[in-house]
Amino acid sequence: EVQLVQSGAEVKKPGESLKISCYSSGYSFTKYWIGWVRQMPGKGLEWMGILYPDDSDTRYSPSFQGRVTISADKSISTAYLQLSSLQASDTAMYYCARMTKIVGSGSSGWFGPWGQGTLVTVSS
Amino acid sequence: DIVMTQSPDSLAVSLGERATINCKSNQSVFYSSSNKNYLAWYQHKPGQPPKLLIYWASTRESGVPDRFSGSGSGTDFTLTISSLQAEDVAVYYCQQYYNPPHTFGQGTKLEIK
Repeated sequence: EVQLVQSGAEVKKPGESLKISCYSSGYSFTKYWIGWVRQMPGKGLEWMGILYPDDSDTRYSPSFQGRVTISADKSISTAYLQLSSLQASDTAMYYCARMTKIVGSGSSGWFGPWGQGTLVTVSS
Repeated sequence: DIVMTQSPDSLAVSLGERATINCKSNQSVFYSSSNKNYLAWYQHKPGQPPKLLIYWASTRESGVPDRFSGSGSGTDFTLTISSLQAEDVAVYYCQQYYNPPHTFGQGTKLEIK
């Protein structure tokens, strides 16, 4: 069974940095893109970016480029989302999700399954 | 970026009745080389991660009840729930995966009338 398990809730102060994790099991971690999605309180889903663990190829949404870093540790089948210089507006639920593999379609694919989500609260 | 716009923003439907959610992209998400529309639908309930319902615009994910169906091509798509059940109350999102960033629609909140 494919499972993605995220790290626990975080409370941070403005200006701090944060790295949340997403551990994958039940499939070949390096052969599927893995992505991150943000949901701010009361708002919709926002696609942040994806990473291909085998070669660390990464695609970011322009809305998040420069503000976040997506990485992975292949040895422990874990992807990471790093947010720097946190602001109150970074308060959100963050989800990781595996992107399905479409032969011949490079970095295209739908998300499924998803991690359970990590709630990040930024408050002074 | 491809912009995805859903309508309506919210919808109230009686149990057993049909619910229809629309999704429009500002450019085609049809890939002619594969003859497929790069469009997915998700269901999101409070306290749970989103759940994939439909991909390729009309292919139902394994285990998804057949009352859920997707249709459309190019820039205009529809998610239909043929007979609304209480457990279908959720927010529904469309997503294009034609080009990164794989943008979502703003969501449609579905409630019971």
